[in-house]
Amino acid sequence: EPEVTQTPSHQVTQMGQEVILRCVPISNHLYFYWYRQILGQKVEFLVSFYNNEISEKSEIFDDQFSVERPDGSNFTLKIRSTKLEDSAMYFCASTAMRDLGEQYFGPGTRLTVT
Amino acid sequence: ILNVEQSPQSLHVQEGDSTNFTCSFPSSNFYALHWYRWETAKSPEALFVMTLNGDEKKKGRISATLNTKEGYSYLYIKGSQPEDSATYLCAFRGSGTYKYIFGTGTRLKVLA
Repeated sequence: EPEVTQTPSHQVTQMGQEVILRCVPISNHLYFYWYRQILGQKVEFLVSFYNNEISEKSEIFDDQFSVERPDGSNFTLKIRSTKLEDSAMYFCASTAMRDLGEQYFGPGTRLTVT
Repeated sequence: ILNVEQSPQSLHVQEGDSTNFTCSFPSSNFYALHWYRWETAKSPEALFVMTLNGDEKKKGRISATLNTKEGYSYLYIKGSQPEDSATYLCAFRGSGTYKYIFGTGTRLKVLA
């Protein structure tokens, strides 16, 4: 069964450093999402992406964040200058249908900012 | 601020028991409600996408209902098995947005 993959599984970085979290969505999916979950809190929507454009972003997704689909398979989340409060589990998801399709989640990347 | 609540936060049931839990969401501007099953150390797995008031969906022993007018959805598990142990998450999407708002989840533990 096709699945969404994410790398790395765990990333430790120092405050102020840039990180890139990578996702490979399911191959025929066209709509992509990033979510995060800070330990002990709810899963939060960060951004949705379609046709090489951001469809919507949350208030969390400020100028420090960017997303890109650099080729036909990868979908990346970049945090330019990490802060301690960026420590969280980051999930990528993809769906074949924009509106009512099931979202398939990756296993997540645990980001620890020290 | 839109809020999605799930109750209970956690519960333990005996194998064979049936159980249900609730997701409450804003009753205005409803577009869709997703249910997920999330086992520890795995990815959230889509269970249902609910869209119409009165919808009832079923997958094996798990079913869900939707009441958009009053802003709640129930998830039912019939004859719980230990492998049903997981966190069950709901996510609300309002009309005119791609943003999903998640509940805190209900952690289910089924005791053998």
